[in-house]
Amino acid sequence: AQSVSQHNHHVILSEAASLELGCNYSYGGTVNLFWYVQYPGQHLQLLLKYFSGDPLVKGIKGFEAEFIKSKFSFNLRKPSVQWSDTAEYFCAVNAWEYGNKLVFGAGTILRVKS
Amino acid sequence: EAGVAQSPRYKIIEKRQSVAFWCNPISGHATLYWYQQILGQGPKLLIQFQNNGVVDDSQLPKDRFSAERLKGVDSTLKIQPAKLEDSAVYLCASINPGQMNTEAFFGQGTRLTVV
Repeated sequence: AQSVSQHNHHVILSEAASLELGCNYSYGGTVNLFWYVQYPGQHLQLLLKYFSGDPLVKGIKGFEAEFIKSKFSFNLRKPSVQWSDTAEYFCAVNAWEYGNKLVFGAGTILRVKS
Repeated sequence: EAGVAQSPRYKIIEKRQSVAFWCNPISGHATLYWYQQILGQGPKLLIQFQNNGVVDDSQLPKDRFSAERLKGVDSTLKIQPAKLEDSAVYLCASINPGQMNTEAFFGQGTRLTVV
């Protein structure tokens, strides 16, 4: 079965620190990759997405992610986090050939200390 | 364009009672998903519809959960009877499967508390 793994469940950083959240998936074919963010008390919002082309994708609020096909990975990065980035981050994957089933990782809770 | 609409936003029920959630996807989106998100966990796919047909319901607890999308547009998810462990946010999402490179759009969810 398709699965998505996020390496860290809780991450605590100070403001201005760099962020990297890991995501690995188990699909073997062509995939679409997403990072969603959920701020406290709010609904899921799309942070960025990868379908094809340049494996380095840029999203909102200074986030970026790199797709490395050989490692089945799609890690999220931000050079300098802010207190307002405190949220839960979810990696998600779907594949056309798997009927567009959209599978989420368990999430990473990021807390940024001011 | 209007987003995915869900109602109610919040629901508190006692265990063994029944509850229903409603979702209206984005117009033209043939694929509709229901997810369960328990506090501290990622969204778990309960059921996926393509128009009014079920594509995947492998993780739907069918002894107590049911879902339908009779006309291929809006959908309802029902729990009967509810258990304490059903306390979660129930998310609805939709996608246009006719476009290969597109994302799913989510509603704001229904927060269910079973007491």
